[in-house]
Amino acid sequence: AQKVTQAQTEISVVEKEDVTLDCVYETRDTTYYLFWYKQPPSGELVFLIRRNSFDEQNEISGRYSWNFQKSTSSFNFTITASQVVDSAVYFCALSISNYQLIWGAGTKLIIKP
Amino acid sequence: NAGVTQTPKFRVLKTGQSMTLLCAQDMNHEYMYWYRQDPGMGLRLIHYSVGEGTTAKGEVPDGYNVSRLKKQNFLLGLESAAPSQTSVYFCASRAGQVISYEQYFGPGTRLTVT
Repeated sequence: AQKVTQAQTEISVVEKEDVTLDCVYETRDTTYYLFWYKQPPSGELVFLIRRNSFDEQNEISGRYSWNFQKSTSSFNFTITASQVVDSAVYFCALSISNYQLIWGAGTKLIIKP
Repeated sequence: NAGVTQTPKFRVLKTGQSMTLLCAQDMNHEYMYWYRQDPGMGLRLIHYSVGEGTTAKGEVPDGYNVSRLKKQNFLLGLESAAPSQTSVYFCASRAGQVISYEQYFGPGTRLTVT
């Protein structure tokens, strides 16, 4: 079965703290992609990153970093020195050999000033 | 480029009324999707299309119909609205079958059924 689990329903931190959003996936496919999307309070869904199943290198983009570990089927997202503008719902998704993205339920991140 | 647009942005219906949501994309994408988003449930796929003239059911298709007569447009219809269909509806498009392609989303339609 294909599945994406984001066990953290909601996380609340104070601004400037680091925060990690967890994503665990299940698939029998050997070739797949993982995605992160951001949904700010305005409601639109914004693509953040994709990672393919053969590339386990971590990725860093400014304050954002992603840690992909096939051994634990995880693709976690860390925000360093969080800011109020990072407040959003974050979705992890899995793309396999069909038409769909398999979506996690999302993690609501609240950054308090 | 407008990307993916949705019409209308907001709508209130009474139980039993019908309506059509329009999605349009200007990226020449083959694949298009309709999702609904409810609190705590993430995105659930209603219907999708892999090309002009084709449609298929997703995870939660009951109560909805779709049509893709033109490649750039994907219509979602509610024949007899029910309060359970109160939700935010998102349309998305994707260039094709390649699994590395991301989905591009419209701004959403907030539908309330009373």
